Amino acid sequence: GENVEQHPSTLSVQEGDSAVIKCTYSDSASNYFPWYKQELGKRPQLIIDIRSNVGEKKDQRIAVTLNKTAKHFSLHITETQPEDSAVYFCAARGSSNTGKLIFGQGTTLQVKP
Amino acid sequence: KAGVTQTPRYLIKTRGQQVTLSCSPISGHRSVSWYQQTPGQGLQFLFEYFSETQRNKGNFPGRFSGRQFSNSRSEMNVSTLELGDSALYLCASSFLPSADTQYFGPGTRLTVL
Repeated sequence: GENVEQHPSTLSVQEGDSAVIKCTYSDSASNYFPWYKQELGKRPQLIIDIRSNVGEKKDQRIAVTLNKTAKHFSLHITETQPEDSAVYFCAARGSSNTGKLIFGQGTTLQVKP
Repeated sequence: KAGVTQTPRYLIKTRGQQVTLSCSPISGHRSVSWYQQTPGQGLQFLFEYFSETQRNKGNFPGRFSGRQFSNSRSEMNVSTLELGDSALYLCASSFLPSADTQYFGPGTRLTVL
C-alpha cells in the first residue's frame, strides 16, 4: 500500500547549522511532495513543495530535492534559527486527480541557541 | 481571505456517544480533506470531498463518515465513540482536488473519556 517513511524522528542542531530530513515513498505514481511545519498547538503550514517533474526547489533557507528513481525526497534547512524548532512532516500525493496526502511520521527539530 | 475554520475547537465526549465536527474551507475552495492526527499514528487521511461527493476514503471503520454541502462546507461524524478516537481532527481545503496546495484548519481536539 501507500507509505511514506521519514527519518530521523528527532533532530537536534546548533543555531546556524544545517538540518536535513529525508523521506522515502512507495507509490511510484506519486507526483507531488509537500513539506509542512507544525509548531506546538498550531496547524500544519506548508513551507515548500515540489512536483515530480522538478529535481530541486529552493526558497531562501529552505530547499527540497527529489530523486524519482530512488523514490526519495529531502528537506534541507540552512542557517537554522531557534524559530525553526517544530515538527516537520513530509507527504506524497498519489495522483493528480486527488487531494489525498500520505504523510511521514514527522521529525521533531530542535535548534539550540 | 479568511483561512480554513473548524468548529468546535475542543470537544469532550464519553465512549458510545457520537460527535459531529465542522469545517469551512477558504472562500472559493471546493475540495475538503479530513485527517486524524495522533501521537502514535501521525497524520492519517480520513476522506476527501469535492462537489458534495466523497472521492476518497482512508482506512477507517464505518463509524467515521462525512459529507459536504453545496457551499463546500464539510462535516464529519464519528458514531459510537471509542477511547482510541481521541485525536486532533484536521481539515484541509484546496481550490480543486488536483490543486497542489492544501491549507489546514486549526483542528478540533476530541477527547473521549
